[in-house]
Order: sequence, then structure tokens, then C-alpha cells
Amino acid sequence: NAGVTQTPKFQVLKTGQSMTLQCAQDMNHNSMYWYRQDPGMGLRLIYYSASEGTTDKGEVPNGYNVSRLNKREFSLRLESAAPSQTSVYFCASRGVINNQPQHFGDGTRLSIL
Amino acid sequence: QQQVKQSPQSLIVQKGGISIINCAYENTAFDYFPWYQQFPGKGPALLIAIRPDVSEKKEGRFTISFNKSAKQFSLHIMDSQPGDSATYFCAASVSGTYKYIFGTGTRLKVLA
Repeated sequence: NAGVTQTPKFQVLKTGQSMTLQCAQDMNHNSMYWYRQDPGMGLRLIYYSASEGTTDKGEVPNGYNVSRLNKREFSLRLESAAPSQTSVYFCASRGVINNQPQHFGDGTRLSIL
Repeated sequence: QQQVKQSPQSLIVQKGGISIINCAYENTAFDYFPWYQQFPGKGPALLIAIRPDVSEKKEGRFTISFNKSAKQFSLHIMDSQPGDSATYFCAASVSGTYKYIFGTGTRLKVLA
């Protein structure tokens, strides 16, 4: 019962490097999300995908791009990493029925030096 | 602006005590209110959830109280245990969208 799987679990980058965070879900969910979690700020939505083939900006999209590769996979790309992007990144998914909870992966801990 | 304000930021409770976490919102376009529990190194996991047409929901030691007129909802943990020590997030689902708004979290520590 994998649920939502994120890779990698940890990563250290240098400023200016690029990286793609991977997310896959096996629950046949339509919508998928990327959040960042910073101390005292809760979970902030970066991008989300309501369904395969669509993506929309969330609260903090600057410096990120996303790709909904297929129904299962939703990736987050940092084109030119900055120290302000040091954070824990969570992927989540949700089914199509209203009033359904989001299911989260265990996160990617990203440090940018 | 759609916001959910959560308090307190941190909470220390003795074993067997009651833990209470509060959330308030301003935007009425929310139609689902879940609470998540997060342990260190893990992602948030759904704990309990409520719809706005219900005033209270109880699951084991966990109860959500919802006050629609005051635009407030709270999580009560009865007989708190050390294993309940975690960070708790309230959230609200934005009606007609796929988006959730999260509170800033409450770090709960239950002393043995």
C-alpha cells in the first residue's frame, strides 16, 4: 500500500543548480499537489493539478515549474535553485469526489547552499 | 484573502489531560474541514474531518467541534497520551475548487 511516493527523500544543492522532485500515487486520484513546509508557516501550495493535462499556480509558484506526466505522476522542477527554496516539499493527491481528504507523501528535504 | 488562523502555536499537556487546538476562518466559501497529524520526518496524515452542516464529530479520543456562526472549529484530544505528541494542522477545502488552505500548525507535546 504505497499511497504517495516521493523521491528523493533528501537532497543538497548549490545555488543555481537545477533539480526535479518526483511524485507518484497509486490511488487512481485525479488531483495532485505540491506544497512547501517552512517553520511557523504551515503548508503553502506551490502548484496543483486538478486532473491529468492541467496545472495551476498556487500561493507560492515563483521559481518552480511542474509537469503532470500522467495520472500517476506529478513532478516539481527548480530551474535555478536559491537558498530561499530550502524547505521540506510535500506532494499530495486527492480523489475526484467532493469532501475528500488529501493524502500526503513523506516529503523531500531540500537544502540549498 | 482566504486564511485559516490556528492557535496556539505550541501546547504542552500532561498525560491524561485534554488538548485543545483552535482554528478560525473568515471566508465562508469552505465546505470541508479536515485535521491532520504529522510526526517528525513524516507527511501529514488525516486524523478526522467535518462538514459545515455538522456541529460535532467524534472518533475515539478525538473530537471536532464546529461553530458555523462564529466561523471557528476546534480539535479536542481527550485523555492525551505521549504518543499524541505531534504537529497538528487544521485545513479548509475551498468550495468549487481542488484547493485546501492550511493553518500554520500546533506543536503538541504530551508529558508522561
